[in-house]
Amino acid sequence: DTGVSQDPRHKITKRGQNVTFRCDPISEHNRLYWYRQTLGQGPEFLTYFQNEAQLEKSRLLSDRFSAERPKGSFSTLEIQRTEQGDSAMYLCASSWWGRTDARDTQYFGPGTRLTVL
Amino acid sequence: GQQVMQIPQYQHVQEGEDFTTYCNSSTTLSNIQWYKQRPGGHPVFLIQLVKSGEVKKQKRLTFQFGEAKKNSSLHITATQTTDVGTYFCATMDSSYKLIFGSGTRLLVRP
Repeated sequence: DTGVSQDPRHKITKRGQNVTFRCDPISEHNRLYWYRQTLGQGPEFLTYFQNEAQLEKSRLLSDRFSAERPKGSFSTLEIQRTEQGDSAMYLCASSWWGRTDARDTQYFGPGTRLTVL
Repeated sequence: GQQVMQIPQYQHVQEGEDFTTYCNSSTTLSNIQWYKQRPGGHPVFLIQLVKSGEVKKQKRLTFQFGEAKKNSSLHITATQTTDVGTYFCATMDSSYKLIFGSGTRLLVRP
């Protein structure tokens, strides 16, 4: 399978615990995005990387959230001291910037569904 | 910042009927993208429109971008049960992140 993969697919945790999610983008893609989606809403942008550089972070990304893409390949999103309001689907997407015909089309992974009890 | 509004929120149709969802913005958009998300699934890219008045077709799906580049529509002719899902419009802003509408959930009665 050459699509975007995410692990785990589901995570249940207790309030106050730390969680970490992993995203493996499509191998030739140089951009990687994190979005959050709550029930009945469209995905909301959290942050994105070009190669290993984190280029933008949303105001939604409080100081409890941190993301890394250490070698420009896979990425991790960590949430510290989880709160019930963090319960959502966390989606990763990747794209190739520079393909003028694709205009930075983003391909989404299956997501990690987080439930904070 | 940019926002895109989508209507209707829900649409329940009989199989074989047509379906349309609309996306509107108060500002001019450089592009509009459409995604489909099946129940329990993730957004899947359908198409991107960038030109004023652009119309693109994919089988029974017709996508339009308004002349003023402030609105877009997705029309499905003769819906099938496989069309069930939520259809999102999104626009990519100047920093390359997607700004999504709230989606239109399509339900199809067999």
